[in-house]
Amino acid sequence: KAGVTQTPRYLIKTRGQQVTLSCSPISGHRSVSWYQQTPGQGLQFLFEYFSETQRNKGNFPGRFSGRQFSNSRSEMNVSTLELGDSALYLCASSLTVGVDEQFFGPGTRLTVL
Amino acid sequence: QKEVEQDPGPLSVPEGAIVSLNCTYSNSAFQYFMWYRQYSRKGPELLMYTYSSGNKEDGRFTAQVDKSSKYISLFIRDSQPSDSATYLCAMMQGAQKLVFGQGTRLTINP
Repeated sequence: KAGVTQTPRYLIKTRGQQVTLSCSPISGHRSVSWYQQTPGQGLQFLFEYFSETQRNKGNFPGRFSGRQFSNSRSEMNVSTLELGDSALYLCASSLTVGVDEQFFGPGTRLTVL
Repeated sequence: QKEVEQDPGPLSVPEGAIVSLNCTYSNSAFQYFMWYRQYSRKGPELLMYTYSSGNKEDGRFTAQVDKSSKYISLFIRDSQPSDSATYLCAMMQGAQKLVFGQGTRLTINP
């Protein structure tokens, strides 16, 4: 069974640009969560989607947004990039919401110059 | 103050040693406690999962939860170089979001 895939794996952008990251969950999984990982703050929850609806949202500014499609694939978008947005963005999928085990993808490494 | 505190290390021990990793937390409503392992350039993978207080053992790994002290631990026995990774504790209240610790970078020296 294929794992969670994330594209692209690496991305370099400049301040002020916007970026879209993509996540394909494990087949059959309907819940997708996004996390930001930085050396200083660790892993921080961004948002969770289930059946195309956002269920939970972390404490991030409105520049961070996401969506989920009918096939459970998800995208997250960051607008007006700032230097501090440089991080590893991780996507995790699970069968359903709640305490179901989350399976993480390898992440997208975003560097903002 | 963060909801979950974890010493980021780094921690370096010789092969065969017993490793103890710990997290403290402030939210008494946390019910589910997990340990994830993250190798370099990979996403985290679930290692251990416990509900409420108590111990859980899986091979060389033992997870302990002490809700009265708001303290959780992961013990690794007979540590191997392949155990070298970053270990993250994570907690959840009901069906809410996962809250992670900072992660502890562990190196097992042959």
